[in-house]
Amino acid sequence: GENVEQHPSTLSVQEGDSAVIKCTYSDSASNYFPWYKQELGKGPQLIIDIRSNVGEKKDQRIAVTLNKTAKHFSLHITETQPEDSAVYFCAEELTFGTGTRLTIIP
Amino acid sequence: DAGVIQSPRHEVTEMGQEVTLRCKPISGHNSLFWYRQTMMRGLELLIYFNNNVPIDDSGMPEDRFSAKMPNASFSTLKIQPSEPRDSAVYFCASSLGAGDQPQHFGDGTRLSIL
Repeated sequence: GENVEQHPSTLSVQEGDSAVIKCTYSDSASNYFPWYKQELGKGPQLIIDIRSNVGEKKDQRIAVTLNKTAKHFSLHITETQPEDSAVYFCAEELTFGTGTRLTIIP
Repeated sequence: DAGVIQSPRHEVTEMGQEVTLRCKPISGHNSLFWYRQTMMRGLELLIYFNNNVPIDDSGMPEDRFSAKMPNASFSTLKIQPSEPRDSAVYFCASSLGAGDQPQHFGDGTRLSIL
């Protein structure tokens, strides 16, 4: 991957509401798109990933969608909780987005 | 199970000094990655190894940086001589593959060059 754009850079959401983070990538040959969550003082931790042969994947409150034609992929967190507050990174194989600081307002 | 282990957790040193960061990957993982994280540049891949062999070092900033992986359970990232602009958090990660497998990150080394 050459370039991954991630939006928004910051996001505040009321507890219980949904949060959506979007990324675009440039290399149409890329096949693997992970999402990582980074808490203060820790390294990024994988929360969900998707491969190019799948359009959507869900794991409890977290889902990821991939549109290969448009080169977009998105992270959806439903029923947000205070512990979801962190910085989230998308990645296109080994290239990371710039991160989204998500704050859940109690 | 032990995750990726990095040492030291924090390093403060004066410019011009040599700095060595260490990493122990997860046992059985065959790929190891070094990243640098700063506010300005985000998370940048510096170099990665597959089966102890450096595959892509295009992210290494300059000749002052070098990385080695003498065996499957140990890697070092060395900066000599260090400069204030090298101040950052350096992460090591390991995985079962290169770009198509989940990476497991250590908790990083926070490096401050005075």
